[in-house]
Formats: sequence, C-alpha cells, structure tokens
Amino acid sequence: GAGVSQSPSNKVTEKGKDVELRCDPISGHTALYWYRQSLGQGLEFLIYFQGNSAPDKSGLPSDRFSAERTGGSVSTLTIQRTQQEDSAVYFCASTPRAAYNEQFFGPGTRLTVL
Amino acid sequence: GIQVEQSPPDLILQEGANSTLRCNFSDSVNNLQWFHQNPWGQLINLFYIPSGTKQNGRLSATTVATERYSLLYISSSQTTDSGVYFCAVERGDYKLSFGAGTTVTVRA
Repeated sequence: GAGVSQSPSNKVTEKGKDVELRCDPISGHTALYWYRQSLGQGLEFLIYFQGNSAPDKSGLPSDRFSAERTGGSVSTLTIQRTQQEDSAVYFCASTPRAAYNEQFFGPGTRLTVL
Repeated sequence: GIQVEQSPPDLILQEGANSTLRCNFSDSVNNLQWFHQNPWGQLINLFYIPSGTKQNGRLSATTVATERYSLLYISSSQTTDSGVYFCAVERGDYKLSFGAGTTVTVRA
C-alpha cells in the first residue's frame, strides 16, 4: 500500500515568511511524528500525535513552530517568521498504533530559508 | 536524554566486501531501528530489532540489549548499499533518538 507522503518535496522561502509543510500518514496509522534533519546530522524529534490525545510538543525548538493534525489523519507543520537556521529536511513518520513502535518515514520536505 | 553513538563515522568498501557497523546506546531501550538513507535522502527501514538477531538478504542485525549495543552486518556489498546508515532508539516515550550515522561508500 501507499507509504507516508509529504508535500512539498522542496520549499524555498525568504527569511521572515511563514511556511506550511504537509504530511499524509499511512492509512489507518494512529500515531504521527515530525522530525527534522539539519545538514550532516541525524534526525531530531519535534512533535508526536497519538489519536485524540494532546500532542507531545517537547521537541519543538521555539514558539515559532506549531503543528496540528486534523481528523486524526493529515498533519501540518507551520513555521512562522522563518530564520536561516530553520533550513533542514523535515520528515514525518507514522506507526499503526501507540504500542507498535516501528516508525515508517516519509520522503521529507527540504526547506531552504534564504 | 539517551546517547546514541555509531561507529565508524565513515566506511569505504570495495564491491563484494563485508562490513560491520556498530551502535552503542547509553540506557535500556524499548525500540531500536536501523535505517538506510540513500543518496536521494530517502529513509528506508532496515530492521526493527530491540533485541535478538534478524536477517534480510545480505543484511543482518544483532542487538544485545543487556550490553547496550547493536551491530549491522553488510555482506557482499554492492554500490547500491552506499549511503548513510542510522541507528535510532526509543525508551518508551515514542521519540526516536538518532545517532550521527555511518556514511558508507561502496566502490565498483
């Protein structure tokens, strides 16, 4: 079946602009995660959604970052007033249920802030 | 937080060679995954292996949870094995912590 999808695949923006990144998890997966990968680094956790529970936002680097998940499926990560240090690849992942821990990743969105 | 160390940082192989990648972690874990990030940036799940041994074709992995390490074996390497191999662990809070990766280059 279809995997995790993300859009856009690439986004170039100017410093100070807002951006929205979209994630469609695997159908039926109840848990959704956002991570980001800065150049040459491993991935770092940003935020976790599980069903209708309050999200775990402990990895968000600043209050310019926010995310929502509508209808328990699609998620949007929003970065306000982008800065050059926000440039990274943003990955989304999903798992079938909270107790099943293998995470499956999307192709990522490469964000470049000029 | 939990520390994840991968070694070696870089590995250059001749096609057909075998290799071992290591992942050490600083605390007990519920989940350990190995990923291959190909040159196009895509993350491919290789193994979900919090303990024990698994094999998939030319790749195999072993995790010794009591000693807090995991090994990824690549046999008869091919140029398509090139990329970055990541180990990631999770302690029951669903947040994967990634190592810095091992960059593998397989030369024809």
